[in-house]
Amino acid sequence: QVQLVQSGVEVKQPGASVKVACKASGYTFTTFGISWVRQAPGQGLEWMGWISGKNGETNHAWKFHDRITMTTDASTTTAYMELRSLRSDDTAIYYCARDEKKYGGNSGYFDLWGRGTPVTVSS
Amino acid sequence: DVVMTQSPLSLPVTLGQPASFSCRSSHSLVDSDGNTYLNWFQQRPGQSPRRLIYKVSNRDSGVPDRFSGSGSGTDFTLKISRVEADDVGLYYCMQGTHWPLTFGGGTKVEIK
Repeated sequence: QVQLVQSGVEVKQPGASVKVACKASGYTFTTFGISWVRQAPGQGLEWMGWISGKNGETNHAWKFHDRITMTTDASTTTAYMELRSLRSDDTAIYYCARDEKKYGGNSGYFDLWGRGTPVTVSS
Repeated sequence: DVVMTQSPLSLPVTLGQPASFSCRSSHSLVDSDGNTYLNWFQQRPGQSPRRLIYKVSNRDSGVPDRFSGSGSGTDFTLKISRVEADDVGLYYCMQGTHWPLTFGGGTKVEIK
């Protein structure tokens, strides 16, 4: 079955880091990349970044440039997104979505989504 | 960043009637490779987003043919020919032509 399975609920204190996992199955992991998209409570969707499943190339939104690290483990077909220096406004559901590379970056293919990982940042 | 503006914010619809959503971008979404990376997503309450339409007008597998996408350049439209109860939720457009990828604010569909 083609799917993305994400890790579970996270509760973090301000200033901490969170690492969310996204395990891909049912397709060739290296053929696609993974994008990370978040949704704050009652808000819309925000693209955070993308990582190639083939070579680890990354691309991310400027607002996260000093706080985000995306990695993959091809042996377990899992992508990871770490966000550091968490603030209360990072409270959101974090989704992974299958994505494609295009010239100059990624295309926003997003044909397959995980169920989301709720992250709450609170003291 | 490319700004994606969706209208209306909310769309009360009658079952069986058509519905139409608008999405406008602040820059042309025609890429240098000739593609227009404009996708539409449906998000039902409590669920992950689901892609309905990719590259303006291509319907995803399993998406009813009641849904159709059209447009070019900076103006795009999603249409539902006959709204069903299952269509309640939020609808987002998203551009993948320019970095960073950006989403519209969404249109909420509810049944009258």
